[in-house]
Amino acid sequence: AQRVTQPEKLLSVFKGAPVELKCNYSYSGSPELFWYVQYSRQRLQLLLRHISRESIKGFTADLNKGETSFHLKKPFAQEEDSAMYYCARWNTGNQFYFGTGTSLTVIP
Amino acid sequence: ETGVTQTPRHLVMGMTNKKSLKCEQHLGHNAMYWYKQSAKKPLELMFVYSLEERVENNSVPSRFSPECPNSSHLFLHLHTLQPEDSALYLCASSPDRGLGDTQYFGPGTRLTVL
Repeated sequence: AQRVTQPEKLLSVFKGAPVELKCNYSYSGSPELFWYVQYSRQRLQLLLRHISRESIKGFTADLNKGETSFHLKKPFAQEEDSAMYYCARWNTGNQFYFGTGTSLTVIP
Repeated sequence: ETGVTQTPRHLVMGMTNKKSLKCEQHLGHNAMYWYKQSAKKPLELMFVYSLEERVENNSVPSRFSPECPNSSHLFLHLHTLQPEDSALYLCASSPDRGLGDTQYFGPGTRLTVL
């Protein structure tokens, strides 16, 4: 069973346009959700986690338990946002799953 | 070098070879992880170590054998691998056990099995 789904493998937006990267997870208790990012030639790193309720580099993500979603949003995309984005889910019992990732390209 | 380091960065091996991947973290973390990243597949958690004890083994074939001699070092011993084991192997660490902690990743080892 797919536990974390990122339906878009590739996403392109113009600079300054809003961007939304979709993530849906399969329901299992009270999961903790993350977004990890990998910029070109850099290692995978945490972008944000839902429990922190932070805005990192202008990105936010809201956990919607009704829709089992954790979409990543930014109102105005920048060229430096071009990267690979992975949604990940953890819940008690040490179950941790990554999605297949979405490659975001911001067009100048 | 600070953070999480992995050696070698690239490895080519035959199916009858025995090799080891090494991971080292300089962050004072208590937990370390091995992941496998194959093309077109999600990142797969292979092993979790917390304070040098293995706490999770996600049904990984026995041809992969982890070793954690101390909280700073993690090895993945490889023997009689198959071509489908070719992938990027990532190491990560986190402050405490429990995968709810932020994980810090190494650069990975690109493994090719001939």
